[in-house]
Amino acid sequence: DTAVSQTPKYLVTQMGNDKSIKCEQNLGHDTMYWYKQDSKKFLKIMFSYNNKELIINETVPNRFSPKSPDKAHLNLHINSLELGDSAVYFCASSLEYAINSPLHFGNGTRLTVT
Amino acid sequence: EDQVTQSPEALRLQEGESSSLNCSYTVSGLRGLFWYRQDPGKGPEFLFTLYSAGEEKEKERLKATLTKKESFLHITAPKPEDSATYLCAVQANSGGNTGKLIFGQGTTLQVKP
Repeated sequence: DTAVSQTPKYLVTQMGNDKSIKCEQNLGHDTMYWYKQDSKKFLKIMFSYNNKELIINETVPNRFSPKSPDKAHLNLHINSLELGDSAVYFCASSLEYAINSPLHFGNGTRLTVT
Repeated sequence: EDQVTQSPEALRLQEGESSSLNCSYTVSGLRGLFWYRQDPGKGPEFLFTLYSAGEEKEKERLKATLTKKESFLHITAPKPEDSATYLCAVQANSGGNTGKLIFGQGTTLQVKP
């Protein structure tokens, strides 16, 4: 009965490849996010969507492209993977993007680029 | 630039030994401050939201407080199951009404039996 689920949990790939991470939430939330956690555990926002509309697009390389086919899904596609892309990527959702809507996180996808 | 700094980076306690974690923030205008708990291999789990200086929230052995410059997470008589990384995050006016959170680097707490 997972609220925010991501697949895959682990992703090992070579430089230059293209990969996707999928995220689904069954909480009925309107807003979904992608966060990146580096090796020092800093969590940094990448994107946020509200009702399938892009709300936040931080300074992220164009190689990263989010896609939200519906409110419950937010996928992340990464082209031409680089070593520096290695990190844990977290999907999250909230009821809305107001201050009183805490984020619910998935369990992360650990991406390793070799 | 909005910034969140947590200290210490790591904390080891004996079971029952109370202590506090610190979260200092510099933001253009604070909309809210959040505390999350993260277990290894898991996503952060929401604990508290604080909105204004002087506010306090409690949950079991945890108590969060807020001033105009920092927040403390007080852990009273901790148990081994309290071992985790505790993350502080702020939502600032600079982020507009977008839900954007700025996180600190976390404090990893280990409680030994």
